[in-house]
Amino acid sequence: AQTVTQSQPEMSVQEAETVTLSCTYDTSESDYYLFWYKQPPSRQMILVIRQEAYKQQNATENRFSVNFQKAAKSFSLKISDSQLGDAAMYFCAYRSLTRGSNYKLTFGKGTLLTVNP
Amino acid sequence: KAGVTQTPRYLIKTRGQQVTLSCSPISGHRSVSWYQQTPGQGLQFLFEYFSETQRNKGNFPGRFSGRQFSNSRSEMNVSTLELGDSALYLCASSLRPSSTGELFFGEGSRLTVL
Repeated sequence: AQTVTQSQPEMSVQEAETVTLSCTYDTSESDYYLFWYKQPPSRQMILVIRQEAYKQQNATENRFSVNFQKAAKSFSLKISDSQLGDAAMYFCAYRSLTRGSNYKLTFGKGTLLTVNP
Repeated sequence: KAGVTQTPRYLIKTRGQQVTLSCSPISGHRSVSWYQQTPGQGLQFLFEYFSETQRNKGNFPGRFSGRQFSNSRSEMNVSTLELGDSALYLCASSLRPSSTGELFFGEGSRLTVL
């Protein structure tokens, strides 16, 4: 079974600074997706960024980028120019694309990001 | 386009009761997944429905069940509630189970069991 580990329960960053959230995962599969989801307080979870395992190029979405190291099974999220609205719980998630798997999302326990003004 | 709608948003039940939660997916989405979120266990997959059929199930007891209607709306039911069932229950929709796109989540139904 796949597992996703986020080793940082809490992180804080100063507004306008850069922060990196860590995620490692364990899998024997070669075909999968990795995601970072953001869950603001009392609001719905939204997708921040997605990475296909077969792509070597790291995904980027505006101020959000990932460092995907497939061999090391590492998938970190970098937030540049942090804004107050970035404060939220961030979840790393794995989704198998292997035929016969149930395609469910396996989540890490989350990292609570605080942005200080 | 309306997002995923979950009702009720908050509810309080007592041990032994049962509860039904509802989820309306984004228009055109035919796959609905349910997740349980607790501080201790994090987010755990409950089950997924597609075309009114349960396609996948997580490791939850039989007290947890669900169904999907022809309009893709889904309900989940928890019978004989236990204190440990207190959680945020999240519904997510996608076009189909094997979709490589994102899951779209609702705001959740927060269940408190007393």
